[in-house]
Amino acid sequence: DQQVKQNSPSLSVQEGRISILNCDYTNSMFDYFLWYKKYPAEGPTFLISISSIKDKNEDGRFTVFLNKSAKHLSLHIVPSQPGDSAVYFCAARDLTGTYKYIFGTGTRLKVLA
Amino acid sequence: DAGVIQSPRHEVTEMGQEVTLRCKPISGHNSLFWYRQTMMRGLELLIYFNNNVPIDDSGMPEDRFSAKMPNASFSTLKIQPSEPRDSAVYFCASSPWKENTEAFFGQGTRLTVV
Repeated sequence: DQQVKQNSPSLSVQEGRISILNCDYTNSMFDYFLWYKKYPAEGPTFLISISSIKDKNEDGRFTVFLNKSAKHLSLHIVPSQPGDSAVYFCAARDLTGTYKYIFGTGTRLKVLA
Repeated sequence: DAGVIQSPRHEVTEMGQEVTLRCKPISGHNSLFWYRQTMMRGLELLIYFNNNVPIDDSGMPEDRFSAKMPNASFSTLKIQPSEPRDSAVYFCASSPWKENTEAFFGQGTRLTVV
């Protein structure tokens, strides 16, 4: 059963516009959330994270929003650049003991020049 | 630091053969994770270790899969016998055992079972 869900397998955005990637989770014990970016033939690399005590975290062009009541988080990329084209994975961590990272299925972002 | 190192990068084997994937975590990281990437399930957690001890192996698909961590700097994932449906990219990741930190991934091993 998928505890972390990314319902959009792909997304295309024009260069310079905003990219919004969405993620839903089912486990209310998740307390820490992360986004990873993955290029072909490479391992996932950490992008940005957010603790459950916050509702927003910003790092340059990347902002993650968390809505705990809706069990939903999103990643905003503004402005989008062709180099942002990659697969983005949402992940959640259960901090009550196991500390394992649960990942979603990924969203392939394509930024069109 | 060299990061998480996985070997081999690519493995092609025949159905029924034993396959061993290897991982060297980042020095000082005491949590190690094995993931499998597939289209249907994304990054699927197979097993993870803390201080060399397996904590959760509920993601291991079946008895053909086994993992070991004999010391803090080495782990293996073994498939015996391998089947074509095992074909996937397998990732190893490591992290410190503490709150609010990320896991660091290796470059993966692409396994093809023919």
